[in-house]
Amino acid sequence: QQQVKQSPQSLIVQKGGISIINCAYENTAFDYFPWYQQFPGKGPALLIAIRPDVSEKKEGRFTISFNKSAKQFSLHIMDSQPGDSATYFCAASIETPSNTGKLIFGQGTTLQVKP
Amino acid sequence: DAGVTQSPTHLIKTRGQQVTLRCSPKSGHDTVSWYQQALGQGPQFIFQYYEEEERQRGNFPDRFSGHQFPNYSSELNVNALLLGDSALYLCASSLGWATNEKLFFGSGTQLSVL
Repeated sequence: QQQVKQSPQSLIVQKGGISIINCAYENTAFDYFPWYQQFPGKGPALLIAIRPDVSEKKEGRFTISFNKSAKQFSLHIMDSQPGDSATYFCAASIETPSNTGKLIFGQGTTLQVKP
Repeated sequence: DAGVTQSPTHLIKTRGQQVTLRCSPKSGHDTVSWYQQALGQGPQFIFQYYEEEERQRGNFPDRFSGHQFPNYSSELNVNALLLGDSALYLCASSLGWATNEKLFFGSGTQLSVL
């Protein structure tokens, strides 16, 4: 119940295309859903996050779509660029005093954007 | 403004040894969390420190212990190292423990156990 399942494991997209990464969860108590971007040799960096009271959040070329009933959320990267090539992680957490600090991460998706 | 800094960046140890990893949180942050990231996997939560106390712990054995100092910096100690402890160890800091928003990660310490 504490797992977050991410797909696909790897993704190759042409420059200018749309990259889509999906995540599914079981625990309905999760109430914070961030996406992190990680480059080789670096730690994860927060990209965008959403809470379950909204169905979509957009920041620049990055959009999170959230489907509470299906317990799924996805990251869309519009106009993908070679500089977006990185590993992307979805995560979830329960923001109660006994759970904060504990993000549950998906397995990661390695994105390659071809020029 | 310095972000989260970790030292050392790389470390090689042999089975059975003990290791100490260090973390300085982002300026203004008072809460530190530690994560283990095995190759090709997502980070896994080890524990969180706030006000020099361990607030939360993930599913890791007692061989993993930590400490937070009055200046908010933190150490992760691993005793009796196993080959399976080889991983990237990430420190993350935040202001307060009440939310996971604005959690900043360091670049990690790559630990290799031979």
